[in-house]
Amino acid sequence: GENVEQHPSTLSVQEGDSAVIKCTYSDSASNYFPWYKQELGKRPQLIIDIRSNVGEKKDQRIAVTLNKTAKHFSLHITETQPEDSAVYFCAASHGYIPTFGRGTSLIVHP
Amino acid sequence: DTAVSQTPKYLVTQMGNDKSIKCEQNLGHDTMYWYKQDSKKFLKIMFSYNNKELIINETVPNRFSPKSPDKAHLNLHINSLELGDSAVYFCASSPSGGELFFGEGSRLTVL
Repeated sequence: GENVEQHPSTLSVQEGDSAVIKCTYSDSASNYFPWYKQELGKRPQLIIDIRSNVGEKKDQRIAVTLNKTAKHFSLHITETQPEDSAVYFCAASHGYIPTFGRGTSLIVHP
Repeated sequence: DTAVSQTPKYLVTQMGNDKSIKCEQNLGHDTMYWYKQDSKKFLKIMFSYNNKELIINETVPNRFSPKSPDKAHLNLHINSLELGDSAVYFCASSPSGGELFFGEGSRLTVL
């Protein structure tokens, strides 16, 4: 089955800095790569996703890149704000069951 | 107008008891899921249900059983609760192969 590794497990940045979270996956058949944000005590919610026919996607301060050859994808957050503090999960799927990474706790210090 | 709703939100019970968590989605999605989130925040897939096809994560004890009366509902039954079952359980739905829409979560505490 699919295995998704996510790093780092914790990331601490100053407000205004950039943050990068990296994931690798094992199943070359995976073709959908979403990122979810989970604020404390809340449900995970999709913030951006990318499919295997695209190398990069951007939405305001958030961007995701995908390297299918190397089987890794990354989340980039620019100009971080305190409200970006949360746990971020990457996932990979082929079919309809996504496998999640173990999460990255992002802390943005004002 | 809640898209994925699950009840109860909190559940405190004794070891050995049997309990159920209900989940309903009004999005018309084909696939529903149950995830377990432990204290380290790991989201572990327990079950997925798509067009009457149930896929079970083989690591899930058979004390856990999903029941789907129709496409909009996927309930979770847990028998003989153990301390290690304490976690937050999330129900989710998706149009097959797309974004997951999670419920608010049900926090289960086993004493």
